[in-house]
Amino acid sequence: QQQVKQSPQSLIVQKGGISIINCAYENTAFDYFPWYQQFPGKGPALLIAIRPDVSEKKEGRFTISFNKSAKQFSLHIMDSQPGDSATYFCAASAPTRYALNFGKGTSLLVTP
Amino acid sequence: DSGVTQTPKHLITATGQRVTLRCSPRSGDLSVYWYQQSLDQGLQFLIQYYNGEERAKGNILERFSAQQFPDLHSELNLSSLELGDSALYFCASSTSLADTQYFGPGTRLTVL
Repeated sequence: QQQVKQSPQSLIVQKGGISIINCAYENTAFDYFPWYQQFPGKGPALLIAIRPDVSEKKEGRFTISFNKSAKQFSLHIMDSQPGDSATYFCAASAPTRYALNFGKGTSLLVTP
Repeated sequence: DSGVTQTPKHLITATGQRVTLRCSPRSGDLSVYWYQQSLDQGLQFLIQYYNGEERAKGNILERFSAQQFPDLHSELNLSSLELGDSALYFCASSTSLADTQYFGPGTRLTVL
């Protein structure tokens, strides 16, 4: 059972555009929501993470928006660049059980 | 480079065989997680160790086992291999239980 649902499965954005990836969860015990970026042949790398006490977190061109009541969170990539082309995974974990529950991933292609 | 190392990088074996995947966590990290990544199931948590003790289990088959040694490296043992076990296996480590998980480069297992 997929505890975190991610959409879209794939995304094509022009250079300079905004990439938006959405995730939804059901387990209200989740209290940590990271986003990981994965390039082909590499392991996932932490991009940015948020906890539910804030509704938004920004790091450079990357922003997480968090809606606790809707149980949704999203990743916005501003001024998308070809180097951002990768697979992005949202995840969630609960206190006392720290294993990450991953979404199925979004393959992002940023065209020149 | 996350600082997590995994060996071997690639492994090709036959059905029914047994293999061992090795993970060395980042220096100072006490917690080790194993994840399986396949096209149909995505990234799935298998098992977690903390300072030598098993901490949590996920979707790990009975044919699979793991351990964490006193020097904190971990091994994942896969036995009676089936075609469906072909996947990428990632190890992640964190300083303590609630900290960021850093992923290794993975071991690609192919079962023929």
